[in-house]
Amino acid sequence: DAGITQSPRYKITETGRQVTLMCHQTWSHSYMFWYRQDLGHGLRLIYYSAAADITDKGEVPDGYVVSRSKTENFPLTLESATRSQTSVYFCASSTGGNQPQHFGDGTRLSIL
Amino acid sequence: KQEVTQIPAALSVPEGENLVLNCSFTDSAIYNLQWFRQDPGKGLTSLLLIQSSQREQTSGRLNASLDKSSGRSTLYIAASQPGDSATYLCAVPGSGGYQKVTFGTGTKLQVIP
Repeated sequence: DAGITQSPRYKITETGRQVTLMCHQTWSHSYMFWYRQDLGHGLRLIYYSAAADITDKGEVPDGYVVSRSKTENFPLTLESATRSQTSVYFCASSTGGNQPQHFGDGTRLSIL
Repeated sequence: KQEVTQIPAALSVPEGENLVLNCSFTDSAIYNLQWFRQDPGKGLTSLLLIQSSQREQTSGRLNASLDKSSGRSTLYIAASQPGDSATYLCAVPGSGGYQKVTFGTGTKLQVIP
């Protein structure tokens, strides 16, 4: 099926470990985004990408790394996970910076 | 810094009722505003995107309005159904687009059969 898929859906890891969340979209959308959703903070943008090999920081980028070597993939890596990064992570894509965004179903990440 | 407020945080209505959800923003220099719904355990589904030059946008039983001067948008749901139960969020991009987006914290709607 076409769309945007995130993997894994659930992940438990320990502090200090590296973990990578995957995002894949089949629409060839140029823009992709990573958000985290926390109670009391709502959705906050971590990183975004306007095209392959072009990425930039959002509101809360510290502790995260992204890459975009291919248009369809936008992985998010936590290099050394901390408990404060326990959250639900959403990936989204759109055709342009001001166009409707399409979201994946999210990854629920717990860091012990 | 843009602030986006959605009141009420939760709303419960009987099936068939028409209802209005509110979204307020502090910086009126917006390009557009997007309404989403989020079902439990799911991502966000885009409902309507209303451009700053538009006053209204309609899709089926949904109607979104935008008043930039007062910093308000409303989402009107006609003849509500239990399937409309979800959390509704509005999102306001910054001047450069959704690279600088601010989401509201949402209104959780329950439609009672």
